[in-house]
Amino acid sequence: DVKVTQSSRYLVKRTGEKVFLECVQDMDHENMFWYRQDPGLGLRLIYFSYDVKMKEKGDIPEGYSVSREKKERFSLILESASTNQTSMYLCASSSPWGLDSPLHFGNGTRLTVT
Amino acid sequence: DAKTTQPPSMDCAEGRAANLPCNHSTISGNEYVYWYRQIHSQGPQYIIHGLKNNETNEMASLIITEDRKSSTLILPHATLRDTAVYYCIVRVHGSSNTGKLIFGQGTTLQVKP
Repeated sequence: DVKVTQSSRYLVKRTGEKVFLECVQDMDHENMFWYRQDPGLGLRLIYFSYDVKMKEKGDIPEGYSVSREKKERFSLILESASTNQTSMYLCASSSPWGLDSPLHFGNGTRLTVT
Repeated sequence: DAKTTQPPSMDCAEGRAANLPCNHSTISGNEYVYWYRQIHSQGPQYIIHGLKNNETNEMASLIITEDRKSSTLILPHATLRDTAVYYCIVRVHGSSNTGKLIFGQGTTLQVKP
């Protein structure tokens, strides 16, 4: 079974803090993704990476950055946390090979910024 | 990606089959049908996917109509742990490389004892 592990289930941070969310996958997947999920807005893609040290902006990259130094690890960074970044953050991975590779998600990190 | 339509909620008795419908009348020939579910406060869980043939795995069966305009996810023996929001999604081939995944409102399945 694919396992995508997010380092924290719940985080509480203060406005202005730098926040790191970590994600590790054990399936040697090339693709990794960060989403946020908010009620009524569904999943929104923040950033994704298709290889080590590669990154691409998703639909809502403002206020975020990412790091992919190793294939199995993809980090999301909130440079200066703001209250509107309070959300559920989801990491996912997939293989680029094959016609129909599904995305596999972690259990999410619920971040509260006060 | 094609839009999908699902009923907002359904009930099912524990031990019975749960049949969750999905309409995707504008689906294109290269779009796959995927099903995910999300249990409260957890990440989405992949269930099954298919292109035009019916598919079965250890979790569920997927029945796609011949015209591909609709599909049904079948949980053969629903348990209380299957209570979740179920999402039907159509995805263009190759979108696993871009992460473009549109989750609609889904169907909230309530399995009752």
